[in-house]
Amino acid sequence: DGGITQSPKYLFRKEGQNVTLSCEQNLNHDAMYWYRQDPGQGLRLIYYSQIVNDFQKGDIAEGYSVSREKKESFPLTVTSAQKNPTAFYLCASSIDSLLRTGNYGYTFGSGTRLTVV
Amino acid sequence: DAKTTQPPSMDCAEGRAANLPCNHSTISGNEYVYWYRQIHSQGPQYIIHGLKNNETNEMASLIITEDRKSSTLILPHATLRDTAVYYCIVSPPTGGTSYGKLTFGQGTILTVHP
Repeated sequence: DGGITQSPKYLFRKEGQNVTLSCEQNLNHDAMYWYRQDPGQGLRLIYYSQIVNDFQKGDIAEGYSVSREKKESFPLTVTSAQKNPTAFYLCASSIDSLLRTGNYGYTFGSGTRLTVV
Repeated sequence: DAKTTQPPSMDCAEGRAANLPCNHSTISGNEYVYWYRQIHSQGPQYIIHGLKNNETNEMASLIITEDRKSSTLILPHATLRDTAVYYCIVSPPTGGTSYGKLTFGQGTILTVHP
């Protein structure tokens, strides 16, 4: 079955360390996204990528970095520069970010819960 | 970009229809209305979307007013498993600065009780 996989499900990081969250999709989707969710809040966009080797900052990109070397993969690195990294991180993909069909049917992964200890 | 307004919470009895409203008074002609839901500690799930006609699928129905300034998501026979946060989102306009991104607000917490 096609889908989007995030790993690990839970992650603990010491202060000052970088950590990378994995996101892989086998849906042949062009676009991929990273969101952050804090308790009781909506989702905030960190980075997004519409095609391979290209990505754009979202609303809260500071302290994060991404790469898109393959269509299937969009890893997110939470760097030590991110002041409050403890959050629920969600990766999503969509077939086409260009709205050729008006289709914003995002598929989300199950999320990674990051805790700084 | 068009903003949406949803009530913060709603209750519904199991087996009854759940009608979740959303206001999007600044929506423009080429912007779609999307609905997602998020069950606790999971990723959001796409439910339905529409432009101006009413839409129905196996999960829900979407009723969009003729002026497109508001819409209602209808879960015809709510179950306990429908308890979730429901997000109403207007897709950004083609070519705008937010093109290609969805913005999730706070949504409506729907609680279905026995």
